[in-house]
Amino acid sequence: GEDVEQSLFLSVREGDSSVINCTYTDSSSTYLYWYKQEPGAGLQLLTYIFSNMDMKQDQRLTVLLNKKDKHLSLRIADTQTGDSAIYFCAESIWDDKIIFGKGTRLHILP
Amino acid sequence: EAEVAQSPRYKITEKSQAVAFWCDPISGHATLYWYRQILGQGPELLVQFQDESVVDDSQLPKDRFSAERLKGVDSTLKIQPAELGDSAMYLCASRYNMRLAGVSDTQYFGPGTRLTVL
Repeated sequence: GEDVEQSLFLSVREGDSSVINCTYTDSSSTYLYWYKQEPGAGLQLLTYIFSNMDMKQDQRLTVLLNKKDKHLSLRIADTQTGDSAIYFCAESIWDDKIIFGKGTRLHILP
Repeated sequence: EAEVAQSPRYKITEKSQAVAFWCDPISGHATLYWYRQILGQGPELLVQFQDESVVDDSQLPKDRFSAERLKGVDSTLKIQPAELGDSAMYLCASRYNMRLAGVSDTQYFGPGTRLTVL
């Protein structure tokens, strides 16, 4: 069945790069997403990648997709205190029902 | 910038009471979703509407949950009676529903309603 796995916690020093990893099981996935959720707030779409791409860069964010291994990563360059949040990896088939992971809580160390 | 609106933002109720949540999607968005997010988990789809029709309610506990989108615009999610295990964040999302090659008209999420059942 569909499943998305990601580590639950990550601590990074301010100014360093953060790398959040995710694996998924559904080889039919067409879109893979990264969402950000701050405390008490809804979900903010950070970026997404279409399954026929292997990399996407958007300012400080870099998404890498290894379709063979069903592995997705999000790299945040120059991590800031405002990046502290829970990051959800998610996948869908043609942007329909989205399956989310449990989220990775990113903690920024001073 | 257009946003998905939800109300109330917070709701505290006692078990066995009825509660209702409201969602107003982004104007023109044909598809509307209700998700439930339990603390420490990712959101899980409860129900999906295409205009006024339900297209997926396989994960909706139909003995106590109901959802409607009568005019294909705003939507209401109801729980009756509420149980302790229903405490969660209830998120609404909407999508325009136009699939173009290589373009994701993805889902936009509202701020959610946090439900606490005592």
